[in-house]
Amino acid sequence: SYVLTQAPSVSVAPGKTARITCGGDNIGKRGVHWYQQKPGQAPMLVMYYDSDRPSGIPERFSGSNSGNTATLTISTVEAGDEADYYCQVWDTSSDHQGVFGGGTKLTVL
Amino acid sequence: EVQLVESGGGLLPPGGYLRLSCSASGFTFSSYSMNWVRQAPGKGLEWISYISSRISTTYYAGSVKGRFTISRDNARNSLFLQMNSLRAEDTGIYYCARGGTYKFFDYWGQGVLVTVSS
Repeated sequence: SYVLTQAPSVSVAPGKTARITCGGDNIGKRGVHWYQQKPGQAPMLVMYYDSDRPSGIPERFSGSNSGNTATLTISTVEAGDEADYYCQVWDTSSDHQGVFGGGTKLTVL
Repeated sequence: EVQLVESGGGLLPPGGYLRLSCSASGFTFSSYSMNWVRQAPGKGLEWISYISSRISTTYYAGSVKGRFTISRDNARNSLFLQMNSLRAEDTGIYYCARGGTYKFFDYWGQGVLVTVSS
């Protein structure tokens, strides 16, 4: 089955840029989606199909996907961005499956 | 406003069974695929099941295949998950999530806790 790899944690100072990566074999050929989950809350979609933002998500959030790495970039990071971030793809290579990365904890210093 | 509200969670012994429900409102339920995603305590997200809008297609994660059954009632705007032969590793918060065009999950419920323990 398809595997997505995320770093467990990323730290960034307020006002700086955070880059959260998601690795997978030829992930650039797949649509990658990103979710933000704050403590005690349900996940929320923040990026879909690599680089499209749902309504209500700030322009500070952007996404890219090429080769073996997809990236969620958060510019001008704010304290309220501190959360767990998960990447996700839909895998049809062997069976139809939703696949999540292990998640990255973003800490705002 | 899209709303998804799960119910039916609880404490069950290993080998037990449980039926989760998800009540949908604020959108045309019959036009969207739906999913169940779970999260073990302190762990990441795990997709477990999908059902197409017209009930013709279902998919399951290997960890639940043969034990869990997803279903829906479009007339009642409701999604269900029948969970049989429960194991300790099935413990967690279960979310229902609406399916987006490219198999992403654009709206989520608040989740319901299932605990499997003797």
